[in-house]
Amino acid sequence: GAGVSQSPRYKVAKRGQDVALRCDPISGHVSLFWYQQALGQGPEFLTYFQNEAQLDKSGLPSDRFFAERPEGSVSTLKIQRTQQEDSAVYLCASSLGTEAGEKLFFGSGTQLSVL
Amino acid sequence: KQEVTQIPAALSVPEGENLVLNCSFTDSAIYNLQWFRQDPGKGLTSLLLIQSSQREQTSGRLNASLDKSSGRSTLYIAASQPGDSATYLCAVTLIESGYQLIWGAGTKLIIKP
Repeated sequence: GAGVSQSPRYKVAKRGQDVALRCDPISGHVSLFWYQQALGQGPEFLTYFQNEAQLDKSGLPSDRFFAERPEGSVSTLKIQRTQQEDSAVYLCASSLGTEAGEKLFFGSGTQLSVL
Repeated sequence: KQEVTQIPAALSVPEGENLVLNCSFTDSAIYNLQWFRQDPGKGLTSLLLIQSSQREQTSGRLNASLDKSSGRSTLYIAASQPGDSATYLCAVTLIESGYQLIWGAGTKLIIKP
């Protein structure tokens, strides 16, 4: 596609519900990243995929957070038993290769509100 | 632990002024530094990327400098326009991973017509 696409754009969940956030990276991009951005803060790293392999999940806040990219393209970030502190914008980014410091292309994000 | 700080948190200036946004980082072991723009409801757009071996990068009315030894970067915007209103974030790429970005909290810029 022309850019990184994320859906849904907005998600409202009741506390305790499970949510799934989708990221469709630029076609052919090998690397995919998820970031979490709280209101008024900079993004924070969650996880990194190279093709279908999840090489780094050190930023996932708890075991309620799970990410996958089974076919090396579309990725899903799942949050189980959502809590109010999970409210944030979840950003997905992709890059063409795996070179260090490559330029990232970001999606518009999914704004999650947990009530 | 790498920390990135941006000052000021918010800035409001009249149209046409030149302005400088500041970014500082605590650990000079970075791969590169990037400046991004974030518009409400939209994603992040990369403006300038400075490799650790470089001193500055320019794109149109934007100029970014990097002083790795002092842990500082500045983003200079010339002849500001209302369309420049946005939040500007800087981020450094950790050299130990080559991919993880550490971000500042951003400077919210308002250009008054």
